Amino acid sequence: TQLLEQSPQFLSIQEGENLTVYCNSSSVFSSLQWYRQEPGEGPVLLVTVVTGGEVKKLKRLTFQFGDARKDSSLHITAAQPGDTGLYLCAGALTYNTDKLIFGTGTRLQVFP
Amino acid sequence: SQTIHQWPATLVQPVGSPLSLECTVEGTSNPNLYWYRQAAGRGLQLLFYSIGIDQISSEVPQNLSASRPQDRQFILSSKKLLLSDSGFYLCAWSRGTLLAKNIQYFGAGTRLSVL
Repeated sequence: TQLLEQSPQFLSIQEGENLTVYCNSSSVFSSLQWYRQEPGEGPVLLVTVVTGGEVKKLKRLTFQFGDARKDSSLHITAAQPGDTGLYLCAGALTYNTDKLIFGTGTRLQVFP
Repeated sequence: SQTIHQWPATLVQPVGSPLSLECTVEGTSNPNLYWYRQAAGRGLQLLFYSIGIDQISSEVPQNLSASRPQDRQFILSSKKLLLSDSGFYLCAWSRGTLLAKNIQYFGAGTRLSVL
C-alpha cells in the first residue's frame, strides 16, 4: 500500500507566524496536489505541481515538489485565522493516474 | 460549469439496515467517479473508483459496494450496515485525462452514523 505521510499531524499557532507542512512518500508521483478542507465539507484544490523541483506560490502559500517527485512541502507566511483547516496532499502514481493517494492530513489552527 | 451533488448530508441508521448514498455530476460527460471515507480529521481512504459505466474498481474489501447506473451517477450501497461503517463519506469526480492531472472535485459529504 502506498502511503503519503504528512507532518505535523496537528499544528496550533498564533496569527502572523510562519509554518511548513511536509508530505513524504517512498513512491514517485506524476503529479501532486494540495487540498484544504473545512469541517463538514469536501476538500478544495489549492494547487497542483507536476515537475520535480517545481515551486508554486498562491498569495502567502508556497508549494514545492521534491526533485525526485516523492515529497512536497507547503509553507505559509504570516498565517491568518482564515488559514485554519485540514490540509491534505494527494499524489497521482506514475503507473495509475486514475486515482489519487491521499496524505494523512495536517490540521492547522491559527489563533487571532 | 460542472457541479457535484451528494446526498443525504447526514444519515443515522441502525446496525443491520441497508444503505444507499447517491452522487451525481452535472456539466461534464464520462467523468471518473470516486467514493472515499474519511476518519475524523484525517486523510481520505479510497473505497471505489470508476472510469466508466460497468468499470468499477474496489480498493478495500469491506461491507460496501458501488454501482454506476448512469454515466454521471455513482451510488454507494450496503446490504447490512456495521458499526464500523460510521464515518464521513465523500464523492468526487475528475476529468480522467492525463492533461487534467486527476484534479478531483468533491461533493459536500455525507455524515453517516450507525447506531
